[in-house]
Amino acid sequence: AQSVTQLGSHVSVSEGALVLLRCNYSSSVPPYLFWYVQYPNQGLQLLLKYTTGATLVKGINGFEAEFKKSETSFHLTKPSAHMSDAAEYFCALNAGNNRKLIWGLGTSLAVNP
Amino acid sequence: EPEVTQTPSHQVTQMGQEVILRCVPISNHLYFYWYRQILGQKVEFLVSFYNNEISEKSEIFDDQFSVERPDGSNFTLKIRSTKLEDSAMYFCASGIADTQYFGPGTRLTVL
Repeated sequence: AQSVTQLGSHVSVSEGALVLLRCNYSSSVPPYLFWYVQYPNQGLQLLLKYTTGATLVKGINGFEAEFKKSETSFHLTKPSAHMSDAAEYFCALNAGNNRKLIWGLGTSLAVNP
Repeated sequence: EPEVTQTPSHQVTQMGQEVILRCVPISNHLYFYWYRQILGQKVEFLVSFYNNEISEKSEIFDDQFSVERPDGSNFTLKIRSTKLEDSAMYFCASGIADTQYFGPGTRLTVL
């Protein structure tokens, strides 16, 4: 069975501060891991993904995530938060190409001026 | 840049009525998906569709639901006899290889 846990349903940071959104997973097969972002009243936009190869992956808008198999984690980071980063962030995994995505509950990121 | 589109953006229906949610996937994608998100809950997989047939479905996807690709461009989700608990945001996605691209969603409200 596969599952995704996102620690912290709400995270608040100051503009310019480090953003760290946590994602842990459980999977019986090597997972593909994804972060999606949902801005208010919009759909789910892919931020970044890990499938194979380099464990540190870079995405759009300055975000990156590191796949750590030993810790079963795929935390999302951004060195300096911007007001426009305020959104809902979802971690998801699947068992390979074209398979269903299993989702975390999401983390709402607030950025304070 | 091509994107997945969904119509309508918001659908209100009476309990027991049938609804059809429509999606236009990205044109060169081969896999199509429906997910839903009930308010305050996780995004849940409903069904995936490939080569004109269902490739995977969840336990949620029972006889009340059906999917169709009627004309080679649209991808539809039909919900028969809607229930209050069907109220949710429904997301369509299309994919190629390892990535799924999502539409903006249809908010379904069942009264």
